[in-house]
Amino acid sequence: DAKTTQPPSMDCAEGRAANLPCNHSTISGNEYVYWYRQIHSQGPQYIIHGLKNNETNEMASLIITEDRKSSTLILPHATLRDTAVYYCIVRVALSAGGTSYGKLTFGQGTILTVHP
Amino acid sequence: DTGVTQSPTHLIKTRGQQVTLRCSPISGHKSVSWYQQVLGQGPQFIFQYYEKEERGRGNFPDRFSARQFPNYSSELNVNALLLGDSALYLCASSSSTLGPNQPQHFGDGTRLSIL
Repeated sequence: DAKTTQPPSMDCAEGRAANLPCNHSTISGNEYVYWYRQIHSQGPQYIIHGLKNNETNEMASLIITEDRKSSTLILPHATLRDTAVYYCIVRVALSAGGTSYGKLTFGQGTILTVHP
Repeated sequence: DTGVTQSPTHLIKTRGQQVTLRCSPISGHKSVSWYQQVLGQGPQFIFQYYEKEERGRGNFPDRFSARQFPNYSSELNVNALLLGDSALYLCASSSSTLGPNQPQHFGDGTRLSIL
């Protein structure tokens, strides 16, 4: 699986958009970009994933550059509860038969602190 | 919907003992993965099981073993516990029936402390 690079920490004001960058310059054509977050003392929470098109759900938006070498997770209106460690992960899609690895390789992530 | 459930939530053991951790996946999910998270680090992959067969194994010693049951629940066993095994053990489940790129959903883990 390709490695990712994220800034170790970021700050954001409550109510403003939080834009978390991720570099994955060695990503392969069949690797998806996943974002998870982990709030203290809880398990990682799935946020969003994508292959090459931009994606949006009720939690966030994912913007993937055309060359797929980087992406940005956008939390449109950050709240204090969004303070967490955010992980960007690239992973090969499992085959439908489940015969390949489904592991997620976590890095250090970005500590996002949302302040009042 | 009930999420991934893990038991126990906390556990204290001494060096040399053995421990069994349990995981119930989300209903309908047939794939279960185990991760170890040491304080200050991201989770590290230990095992993946799909349809009751081991599909992947991380770089962990043979003291670590796991199995998946017909109802898709899973157990992680660790023998001859070491101080370095103190960590948060996370279980994640996913569905392959909806397509190959389905995300893994995590439980809140078992906090294992070795004295």
